[in-house]
This record gives sequence, C-alpha cells and structure tokens, in this order.
Amino acid sequence: AQSVTQPDIHITVSEGASLELRCNYSYGATPYLFWYVQSPGQGLQLLLKYFSGDTLVQGIKGFEAEFKRSQSSFNLRKPSVHWSDAAEYFCAVGAEYGNKLVFGAGTILRVKS
Amino acid sequence: SQTIHQWPATLVQPVGSPLSLECTVEGTSNPNLYWYRQAAGRGLQLLFYSVGIGQISSEVPQNLSASRPQDRQFILSSKKLLLSDSGFYLCAWSSPPRLAVTYEQYFGPGTRLTVT
Repeated sequence: AQSVTQPDIHITVSEGASLELRCNYSYGATPYLFWYVQSPGQGLQLLLKYFSGDTLVQGIKGFEAEFKRSQSSFNLRKPSVHWSDAAEYFCAVGAEYGNKLVFGAGTILRVKS
Repeated sequence: SQTIHQWPATLVQPVGSPLSLECTVEGTSNPNLYWYRQAAGRGLQLLFYSVGIGQISSEVPQNLSASRPQDRQFILSSKKLLLSDSGFYLCAWSSPPRLAVTYEQYFGPGTRLTVT
C-alpha cells in the first residue's frame, strides 16, 4: 500500500533563510506526488504537483520540489522564506488509480524574524 | 473556474444531537468527492469518497455517514454525535481519473465542529 512519511513534525527557520521540507513515499509504480499548504483554520491549497517529465517542478508562491526516484523522495524547497509562509505543509501521493490521495502527517513551519 | 463551498463554517453541537454538513462544487461535472477530518494535532483522515451519485466508499467505520444526492453535492451526517466527532471537516473534489491527467484534489474552506 502507498504511504507517505514527513519526518519533521515542526521546523523553525529565520525569515529570509532557505527552506527544505522532507517527504518520502512508498509506491510501486511511477507516483503522482503533491505538496499542499494549510494556514490555520483554512482548507488545503495545492502548491505543486509531479506526475512525469522534469524532476524539478515549480509551484506557486516561489516553491519548488524535486522528485528523486532513487531516494523515493519529493522534498519541497524555497530559497528565501517569508513570514507569510508559516503554515502546515502536507505531502501526498496518488493512490487507487487516481481515486484517492495518501497524505503525510504534515510539517508545521514556523518563521522567526 | 471551479469552486467548492462548505457550510456551515463553524458548528457547536451537544453530544447525542444529529449532524448535517454540506459540500457543493461548481464549475465541473462528475467530480470525485471526498470528506476528510482533521482532529486537533493530527493529520488528514479520509472518511468517505464518492465517484458518482449514490456511490459512497467508507474508509473508516464510525459514527458518520455520507450521501451524494446530486452530482455536485456531498453531505456528511450523523444521527448522534460523540465527543470524539469534534474536529475540522474538509470536503474536496477531483476530476474523475478517466478524465484527469493528474489526480490532485481541491479543498473547500472547512467546517469547524465542536461537540460539547
């Protein structure tokens, strides 16, 4: 069965510093991978997605993610974090022929000034 | 463009009372629809999903039920709420796999349910 692991429950970075959030997945075939962001009390917003082609994908709000098949990873990065990036981030993998997504437990990002 | 609505935004209900949360999607046809719950400090738990009218798949046996009376309407219900039903309920939609290239889901704004 598919699974997603986000090893970091909380991460704190300084404003302006770079960010990398880790995501590892378990999936037998070529995965469909996603990153979502959730601000407190709100729904999830899709940041970016990977399904084929270039392994470095660009998303909204200056985020990017790199798919590494050999490491079963899909880490999210941003070169310079803004205070407004403080939120919870979820990695997900497609499952059941597209009928479901399997989500990781989430990483809470705190940004300090 | 597609939009997804959920209501109510917040709800406070006593233990043992019934529940009805509604989700509607605009701007798309034959979507897959999903209900998730987030308990405090925990991740997303898929409760139900539907690939068509009257077709409901239950992911976790529990006190809740779901119905899809119309193509773009998804309802989450309970006959008697428990304290453990408190949480943040999210509805989502996706294009059906036969029409989609990728399988991303789009989420509504959520309903905060507090059972007292």
